Amino acid sequence: DIQMTQSPSSLSASVGDRVTITCQASQDISNNLNWYQQKPGKAPQLLIYDASDLQAGVPSRFSGSGSGTDFTFTITSLQPQDIATYYCQQYDAFPRTFGQGTKVDIK
Amino acid sequence: EDQLLESGGHVVQPGGSLRLSCAASGFSFSTYAMNWVRQAPGRGLEWMSTISGSGASTYYADSVKGRFTISRDNSKNTLYLQMSSLRGEDTAVYFCTKDKFRLIRSPFESWGQGTLVIVSS
Repeated sequence: DIQMTQSPSSLSASVGDRVTITCQASQDISNNLNWYQQKPGKAPQLLIYDASDLQAGVPSRFSGSGSGTDFTFTITSLQPQDIATYYCQQYDAFPRTFGQGTKVDIK
Repeated sequence: EDQLLESGGHVVQPGGSLRLSCAASGFSFSTYAMNWVRQAPGRGLEWMSTISGSGASTYYADSVKGRFTISRDNSKNTLYLQMSSLRGEDTAVYFCTKDKFRLIRSPFESWGQGTLVIVSS
């Protein structure tokens, strides 16, 4: 199985800060990586697919990069409504696997 | 707009069985693969199973292989998850998801609101 190692597990930042989350795959997954946002009590929402493509309707302050085994998710200017847990997920192979999540809150 | 509505979550005893349903609307159901993803209380997301649009191909996580069966009825636009030999560690919110692309590799574009399964005596 492909292991997804996401870091940090949590972070606290101020409104307007740049926030970066990393995700490392245990083997080459090309660009077959997604990022999801999950707010408390809600279903996850797809933000980024194919490592760097922005899902329709998602604000441009969210972005993704990387390929192979190393990936980065960035919020360029953190907003109060971005408080959530973020997950990376590979879809290069079955079983599909998620990172353990990064909980983002406001300092 | 894609709509997914799960149902069937319940409290069930260990060793028991349960069938979850996911009613889909707003898209051509039979042309997209569908998935089940679960989330134990306070934990992360865990992929459970995928079924192709035709239903001919299915995939399972090792943790549920042989105990859970994914299926679909394209005439009813409904996805199912038959769960048997349930264990305490199967306690979770179960989400139904729709693939974004009509490809073997695809993100989970749309999610239902989830249905809660509690396995407890």
